[in-house]
Amino acid sequence: TQLLEQSPQFLSIQEGENLTVYCNSSSVFSSLQWYRQEPGEGPVLLVTVVTGGEVKKLKRLTFQFGDARKDSSLHITAAQPGDTGLYLCQGGSEKLVFGKGMKLTVNP
Amino acid sequence: GAVVSQHPSRVICKSGTSVKIECRSLDFQATTMFWYRQFPKQSLMLMATSNEGSKATYEQGVEKDKFLINHASLTLSTLTVTSAHPEDSSFYICSARVLGFGGYTFGSGTRLTVV
Repeated sequence: TQLLEQSPQFLSIQEGENLTVYCNSSSVFSSLQWYRQEPGEGPVLLVTVVTGGEVKKLKRLTFQFGDARKDSSLHITAAQPGDTGLYLCQGGSEKLVFGKGMKLTVNP
Repeated sequence: GAVVSQHPSRVICKSGTSVKIECRSLDFQATTMFWYRQFPKQSLMLMATSNEGSKATYEQGVEKDKFLINHASLTLSTLTVTSAHPEDSSFYICSARVLGFGGYTFGSGTRLTVV
């Protein structure tokens, strides 16, 4: 069974700080997705990474896929209150697997 | 593009009654839709995969007779929670994979409260 471990699970920071959230597995994934979910809403896709070692940037968000395609990271620069939410990683091909999520709170 | 519309967004029902949740793909055809359940402060747990024109595939531990899934067309999948009980109260979300989208698009979720 493919499992995705996310860390940290909770993070509360001040506006302007940087942070990194990790998504790790012992399995190889053909692709990995990152989502952000706000309370009472469905997850919204942020990015898909496919190639080992790939780095994608989305404004202040930087996503990296590990060389072996077993892990990924999301780095947020100068976090803002609008970044508050639950960040989920998802992987798998036939069987979709979600990490437990990282609940981020950015305080003004 | 690639929008999944989910209704209702909130529903309160009495214990023992049934509730139907609909998910529609608005601008694409979804041969497969996924149904998730999410408890407060937890991640999404896959309940079942619905396939257009055939039976749904349920995850281990999910009761088929309690969570009825129908995927009668390429744009509509429904989840019916039958004989609901308070422990069925949860946030239910559907999703579909869109070719070329690179990921999955999710409905906005349904907050079910059984009283």
